[in-house]
Amino acid sequence: DTGVSQNPRHKITKRGQNVTFRCDPISEHNRLYWYRQTLGQGPEFLTYFQNEAQLEKSRLLSDRFSAERPKGSFSTLEIQRTEQGDSAMYLCASSDRGSTDTQYFGPGTRLTVL
Amino acid sequence: QKEVEQNSGPLSVPEGAIASLNCTYSDRGSQSFFWYRQYSGKSPELIMFIYSNGDKEDGRFTAQLNKASQYVSLLIRDSQPSDSATYLCAVEVRGRRALTFGSGTRLQVQP
Repeated sequence: DTGVSQNPRHKITKRGQNVTFRCDPISEHNRLYWYRQTLGQGPEFLTYFQNEAQLEKSRLLSDRFSAERPKGSFSTLEIQRTEQGDSAMYLCASSDRGSTDTQYFGPGTRLTVL
Repeated sequence: QKEVEQNSGPLSVPEGAIASLNCTYSDRGSQSFFWYRQYSGKSPELIMFIYSNGDKEDGRFTAQLNKASQYVSLLIRDSQPSDSATYLCAVEVRGRRALTFGSGTRLQVQP
């Protein structure tokens, strides 16, 4: 069990560019979550997948944001036309179907929009 | 009112003392409660979870839940300098999978 992995770990981009992040959950975890965290705040929920189905989306997930999990394994989060306000740590977590449904976080992708 | 509230701190305790971290939540439909530790620049790391009223102990950590008062706490016994971090309280509301986090309490353990 290698834990949740995320790539890239850091991304610097210019305003208006598109960026894509990848998350590989713990193997056999069927639930995958995306959160965003800014300095001094706790993580804020963005979206949740069970297998390949996107079951829940936050109103924070504007139309510039899209997430996919096409085969129920890894997931991607794309941000189009980035804005400076998108600068944050993007965290991915996964959990299994067990009763605890405990979410384990990956190392995160730190996005800086110049 | 924030859904999950924590005192931002910093909470400063001497090495070996008990650190007490508190969290209140507003949604009475909340059913699962989690404590995460986050070192600066790192991602949250699960410490423990609690579902039922009362105390739950795991090593030096004890989580306490009082649903009537909508209050959850984390006690850290024999605090060590390595415990210095931000502690995040997270709540799962019945029917939703998303966790709602507080802003965290920064703990400083003085050697």
